[in-house]
Amino acid sequence: EAAVTQSPRNKVAVTGGKVTLSCNQTNNHNNMYWYRQDTGHGLRLIHYSYGAGSTEKGDIPDGYKASRPSQENFSLILELATPSQTSVYFCASGETGKQDTQYFGPGTRLLVL
Amino acid sequence: GDSVTQTEGLVTLTEGLPVMLNCTYQSTYSPFLFWYVQHLNEAPKLLLKSFTDNKRPEHQGFHATLHKSSSSFHLQKSSAQLSDSALYYCALSLSSSNTNKVVFGTGTRLQVLP
Repeated sequence: EAAVTQSPRNKVAVTGGKVTLSCNQTNNHNNMYWYRQDTGHGLRLIHYSYGAGSTEKGDIPDGYKASRPSQENFSLILELATPSQTSVYFCASGETGKQDTQYFGPGTRLLVL
Repeated sequence: GDSVTQTEGLVTLTEGLPVMLNCTYQSTYSPFLFWYVQHLNEAPKLLLKSFTDNKRPEHQGFHATLHKSSSSFHLQKSSAQLSDSALYYCALSLSSSNTNKVVFGTGTRLQVLP
């Protein structure tokens, strides 16, 4: 079973503050993804990565940056957090095949006050 | 562009009744579809995915058939169980991508009552 972990699991931040969400996978998958989950919107892709050193914009990248320093780690950075970024964030990893499964981490619940 | 539509936000039914959750898609190329399930306070995980041949994928009593003529991949189960209560996402693999990007539908919450 693929193993993807996220930290922190819960975070309260203040408007204008910087937030970093971390993700680690131990399956040597090339691809990693950051999604946010909101009722009525489902899972929406923020950023993704092909491998160490690469980051690509997803469907809703505004207000977010990403960093992939290694095969195992993929971070999501909110430089200036806003209340509209209050959400549940999921990291996922997977291989490059069209038919390949994505494996999700347990999620991070972020509240921006 | 590629997209997935799940028209039902909430489906409520009684234990033992059949389940059908709708999923339709738009895809530029040959589609590959998934169903992911997310139980309360858990991560989404794969439930089943379409095959490239005409086999029907099945898992935990659920099955889905890819109908290219109607662009659908509805999820079905003959008899709902209380433990099936969860959020279900239909997802489409983006055929033009080499990164296994998928686009998810908005999700259908299934509530099974005793």
